[in-house]
Amino acid sequence: AQKVTQAQTEISVVEKEDVTLDCVYETRDTTYYLFWYKQPPSGELVFLIRRNSFDEQNEISGRYSWNFQKSTSSFNFTITASQVVDSAVYFCALSEAQDPGGANNLFFGTGTRLTVIP
Amino acid sequence: DADVTQTPRNRITKTGKRIMLECSQTKGHDRMYWYRQDPGLGLRLIYYSFDVKDINKGEISDGYSVSRQAQAKFSLSLESAIPNQTALYFCATSDGLAGVVGTQYFGPGTRLTVL
Repeated sequence: AQKVTQAQTEISVVEKEDVTLDCVYETRDTTYYLFWYKQPPSGELVFLIRRNSFDEQNEISGRYSWNFQKSTSSFNFTITASQVVDSAVYFCALSEAQDPGGANNLFFGTGTRLTVIP
Repeated sequence: DADVTQTPRNRITKTGKRIMLECSQTKGHDRMYWYRQDPGLGLRLIYYSFDVKDINKGEISDGYSVSRQAQAKFSLSLESAIPNQTALYFCATSDGLAGVVGTQYFGPGTRLTVL
């Protein structure tokens, strides 16, 4: 069965520090997609990135970067030079291409609350 | 304007009352979803719909019903609200197709409190 684990419940860093949020997943499917979403204090869910299982290239978008390693079933998210506006709950999620129900549903981890201290 | 909107944004109701949460989207997506978020549990799927004639139960559908009035509208109803349905509810749409996993885009959420 599919599962997403975000072992870090809460992390606090001082502004300008780098921080890595861990995500470990389980799936039997060979084709799957991984996502990261941000939930700021205002409550909405903001899509950050989507990755398919055949593309292990790391991705960088400004201060954000993602490291996908199939060998360790991990899809970690690093924020470089953190800012107060990065304070949020971050969710990692998995969707399987061969979802039996055909819905390609998202399975979420329980989230990591990041607090950036000024 | 937001692509996915939810109304109301906040609602307080009493046990036993019927309540409807509404979701509208302008993204033109066929697939729509309802989730609830509880502290420490992440998001869990309640119902999903691939089009107006295709509605499916998710992980936690008991106590809920849905209606897909049009491609752009997907409503969630609590027929008789109970306190453990107090949660943050999200609607989402997806650009996925049959055999193609899409990206889900979420509405702003509805905070529901059942007293």
